[in-house]
Amino acid sequence: GQNIDQPTEMTATEGAIVQINCTYQTSGFNGLFWYQQHAGEAPTFLSYNVLDGLEEKGRFSSFLSRSKGYSYLLLKELQMKDSASYLCAVYNFNKFYFGSGTKLNVKP
Amino acid sequence: DGGITQSPKYLFRKEGQNVTLSCEQNLNHDAMYWYRQDPGQGLRLIYYSQIVNDFQKGDIAEGYSVSREKKESFPLTVTSAQKNPTAFYLCASSTGTSGSYNEQFFGPGTRLTVL
Repeated sequence: GQNIDQPTEMTATEGAIVQINCTYQTSGFNGLFWYQQHAGEAPTFLSYNVLDGLEEKGRFSSFLSRSKGYSYLLLKELQMKDSASYLCAVYNFNKFYFGSGTKLNVKP
Repeated sequence: DGGITQSPKYLFRKEGQNVTLSCEQNLNHDAMYWYRQDPGQGLRLIYYSQIVNDFQKGDIAEGYSVSREKKESFPLTVTSAQKNPTAFYLCASSTGTSGSYNEQFFGPGTRLTVL
C-alpha cells in the first residue's frame, strides 16, 4: 500500500520559520509535490521535488531525501495569510497519493 | 484564461437521488482526476482518466461513476449506492506524462450535501 504521514496540526508565530515534515512509503516514486489549501478552497501548487536536495522558491523551500522517504516544507518570514493546510503528495505511476495535510496556525 | 471549472459550487440533494458534478478544463490536459475530501482529511482518489474514453477506479470508487467522452470534460455521478456522499469534491487535471513533471491543477470544488 501507499502511506504518507504528516503532523496533523502546527502553530507558529508571525515572522518566524516553520518546518512541516512528510514521510512516505510508496511502491514507486516519480516526484513529490507540496500544496497549500485554505479552508473551503482548492489546493494550490507550492513546490515539486524529484531529485534529492533543496528547492527554493521565495519564502518557501522544499527538501527531499528519496533514500529516507522524507521531505519537508520550510516556510520563512511567516505571515498571517500562511494559515492554511499544507498537503504532501507523492506522484507514482499516473496517480497522486496525498497525506492528510498539516493545518498551520499562524499567531500574531 | 485557461483553467478548470466545476459547477455548481454548492449542491444539495435528497438521499437516494443520483447527482452529477461537472468538471471542464481548457488546459488541453490529457489526464483528469476526481477526489473526495472530508473535514480534516486529505484527498482521496475516486476515479482518474489518462485519455479520452478510458478511465480507472481510484481508492474509493464504490458508489460513483464517470465518463470521458471528450478531452475537456470529466463528469462525476454520485449514485444512491454511495453511503456517505456529503463531502467536498475536487476535480483536477495534469499533462499526464508518466514518469516526469506532472503538476496537477485543481478546480474550485463542489460541496455536496445530502439531506
